[in-house]
Amino acid sequence: EAGVAQSPRYKIIEKRQSVAFWCNPISGHATLYWYQQILGQGPKLLIQFQNNGVVDDSQLPKDRFSAERLKGVDSTLKIQPAKLEDSAVYLCASSSERGGRTEAFFGQGTRLTVV
Amino acid sequence: AQSVTQLGSHVSVSEGALVLLRCNYSSSVPPYLFWYVQYPNQGLQLLLKYTSAATLVKGINGFEAEFKKSETSFHLTKPSAHMSDAAEYFCAVTPTGFQKLVFGTGTRLLVSP
Repeated sequence: EAGVAQSPRYKIIEKRQSVAFWCNPISGHATLYWYQQILGQGPKLLIQFQNNGVVDDSQLPKDRFSAERLKGVDSTLKIQPAKLEDSAVYLCASSSERGGRTEAFFGQGTRLTVV
Repeated sequence: AQSVTQLGSHVSVSEGALVLLRCNYSSSVPPYLFWYVQYPNQGLQLLLKYTSAATLVKGINGFEAEFKKSETSFHLTKPSAHMSDAAEYFCAVTPTGFQKLVFGTGTRLLVSP
């Protein structure tokens, strides 16, 4: 079974530029998450989708971050404009639709460096 | 809000020694608890999870954790450390009724020969 796919693996941009990350979850997984992991910290949830609807985006900086999950499968996370403090690893995860007991499977992440 | 606290940002052990990584949770209702491992430049991999079925949970790679309600703890242990266990370990909690994971700050395990 293929895992969660993310691209690109690494990205370096200048501040005020825009960037987009892509995620393809495990086939059949209804729930998709985007997490931000700043160096030395645990992952923090940015947004959670259930199929193509947003369940939780309370910690998403909506003035600069946006995310979409078209057709309830792939997802894209965008930052525009980027700030230095956005430097982090962006992790995508997916899980099946069976409540909190269900394991979340993580991709390898995209490491963003803003200079 | 439910949360987890991991005591010790770094833990160093010798190869063959006992591994003990501490995690305490804050919750007014029985939570679902998880331990994940992260190797350098990799995503997170599930080690084990507690979902109220049994208090002693066995996971992959010889790890286990015990849920202690009286101590609000879910510490991760392994009897004998291997060099390959060197990684970052995260404790996480899922608020009952939701699916999102709330992570602790992580503990880096260092294993010396």
